[in-house]
Amino acid sequence: QKEVEQNSGPLSVPEGAIASLNCTYSDRGSQSFFWYRQYSGKSPELIMFIYSNGDKEDGRFTAQLNKASQYVSLLIRDSQPSDSATYLCAVNKGYNFNKFYFGSGTKLNVKP
Amino acid sequence: ETGVTQTPRHLVMGMTNKKSLKCEQHLGHNAMYWYKQSAKKPLELMFVYSLEERVENNSVPSRFSPECPNSSHLFLHLHTLQPEDSALYLCASSQETSGDYNEQFFGPGTRLTVL
Repeated sequence: QKEVEQNSGPLSVPEGAIASLNCTYSDRGSQSFFWYRQYSGKSPELIMFIYSNGDKEDGRFTAQLNKASQYVSLLIRDSQPSDSATYLCAVNKGYNFNKFYFGSGTKLNVKP
Repeated sequence: ETGVTQTPRHLVMGMTNKKSLKCEQHLGHNAMYWYKQSAKKPLELMFVYSLEERVENNSVPSRFSPECPNSSHLFLHLHTLQPEDSALYLCASSQETSGDYNEQFFGPGTRLTVL
């Protein structure tokens, strides 16, 4: 069983719509959860992190965490073509040091 | 220089060559990481150094040898690689604190091709 699972996509949404990206993880002891965005040929950049159940909003982005169901999601409101990228879900299982496990990523296409 | 830098950005090497990848972080962090990113696969954690001490080695083949001379520099020494080792190698750094949500900052990566 993979540590972190994501649908590879591509997920296509029209400009202005809400994009919903999902991620599940296998270890209930996971501590914190991250969403990274990776443009083609570039390195990952952090969008948001969340470590408590519920929602966390930052601008057009909302991260949702449900530890009982072991899933994390990222909502992107008012999607823009510039949001087209691969979104990586990462789980930090480390206790004494950071130990990240990444999903394979979901490719998002926002159509003008 | 700011953030995390990596050199070279691209590397083509034969299976019998020896080369090294270099990473430098300018963020004052105390932990550094090597990841491998292959097409269609998740980022794979290779090595973790915390306070210049290797604390994690995810069963990486011995043809990859890391070195962390200080908290700002990280090297990955390569020798006798295989074509399947061709990938993007990413370096990252973070600040280890008592909190659990320490962001990792990534370098631009080295695109490695093994012929």
